[in-house]
Amino acid sequence: KQEVTQIPAALSVPEGENLVLNCSFTDSAIYNLQWFRQDPGKGLTSLLLIQSSQREQTSGRLNASLDKSSGRSTLYIAASQPGDSATYLCAARSVGSGNTGKLIFGQGTTLQVKP
Amino acid sequence: DTGVSQDPRHKITKRGQNVTFRCDPISEHNRLYWYRQTLGQGPEFLTYFQNEAQLEKSRLLSDRFSAERPKGSFSTLEIQRTEQGDSAMYLCASSRGDRVTDTQYFGPGTRLTVL
Repeated sequence: KQEVTQIPAALSVPEGENLVLNCSFTDSAIYNLQWFRQDPGKGLTSLLLIQSSQREQTSGRLNASLDKSSGRSTLYIAASQPGDSATYLCAARSVGSGNTGKLIFGQGTTLQVKP
Repeated sequence: DTGVSQDPRHKITKRGQNVTFRCDPISEHNRLYWYRQTLGQGPEFLTYFQNEAQLEKSRLLSDRFSAERPKGSFSTLEIQRTEQGDSAMYLCASSRGDRVTDTQYFGPGTRLTVL
């Protein structure tokens, strides 16, 4: 059974700092791994999707990496801004889930970027 | 794309009452998912539809829960005889298909409070 873990649960950094959010998963047989952003009381916004055959994906100041052998993914945020403050969730789509496409989510890391 | 919409955004009900939520996916998206998210946790999969067919239900979906997607368009999620433990954010997502590159797009969610 796939389990996804995100540590730490919360992170506070000063504006301008580069930071890394961590995600680990127990079953390396995945189709892809996605990173989402969630603002308080809102739905999820997809940030990046990394296919199992890929090592990383980039979008603007965001870079996500995937290491299936170690069961880890990281989300790197460069030059953080107060507007980046949100909860970041990673989710794995496991081979074991067959054709459902269902995502297994971590608990999220709540990021606060202080001006 | 107008995005995934959900209605209502908030619902407060008394224990024992029935509630129904609606989700309108992105047009032409074949897949529709329902997830439930409790405070401080990541979303958990409830069920999904391929067009109008409901193909999988999580063990989280007790007999009090029922979901439909008539004509493969919008979907409804009904909870009968609500309990306080049903209080959560109910999220709907849709995707174009089941390819590993297909991103799930989430709606804003319906927050249910059972008194």
